[in-house]
Amino acid sequence: GAVVSQHPSWVICKSGTSVKIECRSLDFQATTMFWYRQFPKKSLMLMATSNEGSKATYEQGVEKDKFLINHASLTLSTLTVTSAHPEDSSFYICSAAFRESAIEQFFGPGTRLTVL
Amino acid sequence: LAKTTQPISMDSYEGQEVNITCSHNNIATNDYITWYQQFPSQGPRFIIQGYKTKVTNEVASLFIPADRKSSTLSLPRVSLSDTAVYYCLVGEMRSGGSYIPTFGRGTSLIVHP
Repeated sequence: GAVVSQHPSWVICKSGTSVKIECRSLDFQATTMFWYRQFPKKSLMLMATSNEGSKATYEQGVEKDKFLINHASLTLSTLTVTSAHPEDSSFYICSAAFRESAIEQFFGPGTRLTVL
Repeated sequence: LAKTTQPISMDSYEGQEVNITCSHNNIATNDYITWYQQFPSQGPRFIIQGYKTKVTNEVASLFIPADRKSSTLSLPRVSLSDTAVYYCLVGEMRSGGSYIPTFGRGTSLIVHP
């Protein structure tokens, strides 16, 4: 149990376009989902926390207008990278938790974004 | 903000026991300690979680001293497939009850034949 999927697993886009990444909890309802970004050989950096039905909470330094997060249901959260640029190329990972205390997170497989 | 410190890298050999220690001097009273394993280009995988003393599951043990300022992940009899990055995670509970996980830099474990 506790499986989280992400789609797509990888995407290549041109600079200036927008890319949407989906994160789904397949067999449980996730009250909280987290979005991370990871650069090569670096640790995961938390971008934002989203709770179903409410606005996402962004970490300091993360532009909310550039990284749009929508947590439409208890099983789906989306991250849209708007007007992507090469510096946005990274590995984006989501995780889902049963409850807001989120002590145990279940991670998706990640999405590799490459912006040309 | 709870911050963790781990060795950057470790080397071991197949069949040996590996112990990775994480320091978290500012851990809060209600924080748990969680360890994850990550392979390249994959999401982290949950290994073990604990609050105090010792926790054991089918893949690892977690030792937490009474002051909880550190924790040690113990991997018995590692194999080549255990080569990965291991992260110690201690979260921060912010006002309002929201939980903010903070990953440290991770320990890159290389297991040699």
